[in-house]
Amino acid sequence: DTEVTQTPKHLVMGMTNKKSLKCEQHMGHRAMYWYKQKAKKPPELMFVYSYEKLSINESVPSRFSPECPNSSLLNLHLHALQPEDSALYLCASNAPGQANGDTQYFGPGTRLTVL
Amino acid sequence: KQEVTQIPAALSVPEGENLVLNCSFTDSAIYNLQWFRQDPGKGLTSLLLIQSSQREQTSGRLNASLDKSSGRSTLYIAASQPGDSATYLCAVSPTDSWGKLQFGAGTQVVVTP
Repeated sequence: DTEVTQTPKHLVMGMTNKKSLKCEQHMGHRAMYWYKQKAKKPPELMFVYSYEKLSINESVPSRFSPECPNSSLLNLHLHALQPEDSALYLCASNAPGQANGDTQYFGPGTRLTVL
Repeated sequence: KQEVTQIPAALSVPEGENLVLNCSFTDSAIYNLQWFRQDPGKGLTSLLLIQSSQREQTSGRLNASLDKSSGRSTLYIAASQPGDSATYLCAVSPTDSWGKLQFGAGTQVVVTP
């Protein structure tokens, strides 16, 4: 099974709302990623968790707050977002140190619209 | 700073023709290079991964080559089908930051029946 699942598929929120995006994988991967993708642009890395610890934060604004409660789950908490944060948010995972572990497997994404 | 470029930005071919997609990168200090496919509004699907020590990888109708010294990779798709229509992205992983993918802007491919 090479599946990464993301919920919800679509999310519409106001600038004062608090919401969370969820990502889950059961492949035993110990690295998980959040990417942001604007229309007609490539994905941009936001955060990397390695063995449940935040290892990379690409200078993302604090209104985005990642959380990795266990090795299978990755959350992205959203608060006081701006309309320009509207995008497709993608989660990915892979297996550092394992044979053929470099390939990143992506979820289907959450389409976020901020009004 | 690493820059990844994909040319052309868009490509339209009749069914049955071979596809050639190009990816170039400015810094040869890479750990690996990956090719992905993305359908509109969907996530990315990994196609092939080439380690920096490898010259090519093959999977079915797909073949990817890597020339690290010249900073180039090419994805060949043989005998294209309408189902191959998608955006194809290449991404490099730098040696100083494993897993941190730097993407090209992609090539949008349309295969016409």
